[in-house]
Amino acid sequence: QSALTQPASVSGSPGQSITISCTGTSSDFGGYNYVSWYQQHPGKAPKLMIYDVTNRPSGVSDRFSGSKSGNTASLTISGLRAEDEADYYCTSYTTSYTGSSTYVFGTGTGVTVL
Amino acid sequence: QVQLQESGPGLVKPSGTLSLTCAVSGGFRGNNWWSWVRRPPGKGLEWIGEIYLKGGTSYNPSLKTRVTISVDKSKNEISLQVTSVTAADTAVYYCARNWGHAFDFGGQGTMVTVSP
Repeated sequence: QSALTQPASVSGSPGQSITISCTGTSSDFGGYNYVSWYQQHPGKAPKLMIYDVTNRPSGVSDRFSGSKSGNTASLTISGLRAEDEADYYCTSYTTSYTGSSTYVFGTGTGVTVL
Repeated sequence: QVQLQESGPGLVKPSGTLSLTCAVSGGFRGNNWWSWVRRPPGKGLEWIGEIYLKGGTSYNPSLKTRVTISVDKSKNEISLQVTSVTAADTAVYYCARNWGHAFDFGGQGTMVTVSP
């Protein structure tokens, strides 16, 4: 199973909005709305930012929002800040041909705040 | 947020077995699904597999012939074994609590290098 496709890099100026796409096949998403997004700063563990396509865990800024249309999920960061500079990964849950759970990560996107 | 501590040998020889443990501070607290994820240097995250504490595992199809995830409930530990390792298994390894169908990473991960 191949990784979901994300742009290698996205940049924006402070205060701007950026959107990161995450594209797969129908089998990658399996008909579920189980897409999550993670932020990872260098040397740190990934941090959950969005789960189940659109939901934010407690404590995550409402500047982060998620959506999905067809086989493409998206993460939007509004009001871009210097601390948002990090790598971002999407993940999708699906089931394999044997019926067992499987997760696939995206290729990752480096966000640069100009 | 759950507190996790991954540990194990930082260096493993090619063709050997990589063995890691994840200590869950405060116990499993009713959280029944746990996963391992890794990030090779310069590459992206990769899901390795998960364990259901009441029985059952699922693995990444690309790794399933070499991977075993187990639990020691008496020690509140999740373990990972990867056999027949190569340089491609060099990575930072993270354990995580499955939070619904997402992951809660509560530790800093542990770096494993595969080298002679």
